[in-house]
Amino acid sequence: AQSVAQPEDQVNVAEGNPLTVKCTYSVSGNPYLFWYVQYPNRGLQFLLKYITGDNLVKGSYGFEAEFNKSQTSFHLKKPSALVSDSALYFCAVSSLAGNNRKLIWGLGTSLAVNP
Amino acid sequence: DTEVTQTPKHLVMGMTNKKSLKCEQHMGHRAMYWYKQKAKKPPELMFVYSYEKLSINESVPSRFSPECPNSSLLNLHLHALQPEDSALYLCASSQGTGVAGPWDEQFFGPGTRLTVL
Repeated sequence: AQSVAQPEDQVNVAEGNPLTVKCTYSVSGNPYLFWYVQYPNRGLQFLLKYITGDNLVKGSYGFEAEFNKSQTSFHLKKPSALVSDSALYFCAVSSLAGNNRKLIWGLGTSLAVNP
Repeated sequence: DTEVTQTPKHLVMGMTNKKSLKCEQHMGHRAMYWYKQKAKKPPELMFVYSYEKLSINESVPSRFSPECPNSSLLNLHLHALQPEDSALYLCASSQGTGVAGPWDEQFFGPGTRLTVL
């Protein structure tokens, strides 16, 4: 079965420090991996995705993610955190469902960036 | 236009009411989705429309009835809901679906906050 795990419910980081939000996955076949962010009382926004190629993927708002096939991980990173990055972050993997695909979601990690 | 719009933003309804949620996108996307999301939880897929045809129904109760009138519009008709149906309902769209576009990201609307009394 395909699955995504986000091992941390909450991550706290000081403004200006680097941040990492962890994600591990279990899929059969090629993994198509995504990160989404949800600000309070808002819909989800796409940050970045991994399809193939370079293991370091760059996305919106200065975020990047590193794909590691041997560790089956896709951690989200940012070199210098901003208070405005405080939000709920979801990792997801595209899963085959018959002739369709759907996203399998992690449970989310709440990021708090402290001034 | 890279926006998915949803109306209304907030909806309060009684258990005997009938109401509808609306979603619209003008990005030419061929797949559209309805999700239900409880606070601080991941979104739960309800329905997927591919090329205006229902392709996935995640065993959603019949009190939720989706409709795709055309390639830009998606409705969710609500009838005889229960208080536990109170949630944020999200609409999303993507360029492709199925094996043709497994890597397409989904664009989400802001959601409708539904309260069932």
